[in-house]
Amino acid sequence: QKEVEQDPGPLSVPEGAIVSLNCTYSNSAFQYFMWYRQYSRKGPELLMYTYSSGNKEDGRFTAQVDKSSKYISLFIRDSQPSDSATYLCATSRTGANNLFFGTGTRLTVIP
Amino acid sequence: NAGVMQNPRHLVRRRGQEARLRCSPMKGHSHVYWYRQLPEEGLKFMVYLQKENIIDESGMPKERFSAEFPKEGPSILRIQQVVRGDSAAYFCASGGQGTDTQYFGPGTRLTVL
Repeated sequence: QKEVEQDPGPLSVPEGAIVSLNCTYSNSAFQYFMWYRQYSRKGPELLMYTYSSGNKEDGRFTAQVDKSSKYISLFIRDSQPSDSATYLCATSRTGANNLFFGTGTRLTVIP
Repeated sequence: NAGVMQNPRHLVRRRGQEARLRCSPMKGHSHVYWYRQLPEEGLKFMVYLQKENIIDESGMPKERFSAEFPKEGPSILRIQQVVRGDSAAYFCASGGQGTDTQYFGPGTRLTVL
């Protein structure tokens, strides 16, 4: 069983839509949860970072972690064509440990 | 404020040659992590280093791969006798004391002919 499972998509939405991206993980020891955005042939860019359960909001982005169901979500409101990228969820046991990544979901926002 | 730097950005090697990938962490960061991204796959952890120490190399292939992070200079990921299956994007990330996450560089894309 993979440590982190993520639907690879692809996912296409019209501009202005609300996007929901999700991951599940298997190890209850994971405490740190991140979302990275990766444009084609670029390095991953940190979008959101959450410790333990709960919600975190930053502008149009909201990250949710439900440790009871081992479920991680990223919501994008008022999606823009510039949001078109691959979104990677990642998790680790501690802040200094290596990250376990999902395979990424490719998102296209259509103008 | 310079981010994580990697060079070269693109590297072409023939089978059997050596590849050396370099990573300079963000200013103030002392932890370096190397990840490999194969086509259509997620990033896979390879090795975690601090200055002059390998902390976790559980993701490193047993042969041909090595990594170092000397007291002075960048971290280096070395792949000896490259094979076609080594073709991938190699990313370096950095973190530090009190930093609970990792920031990635632009990657080195290795192509083995």
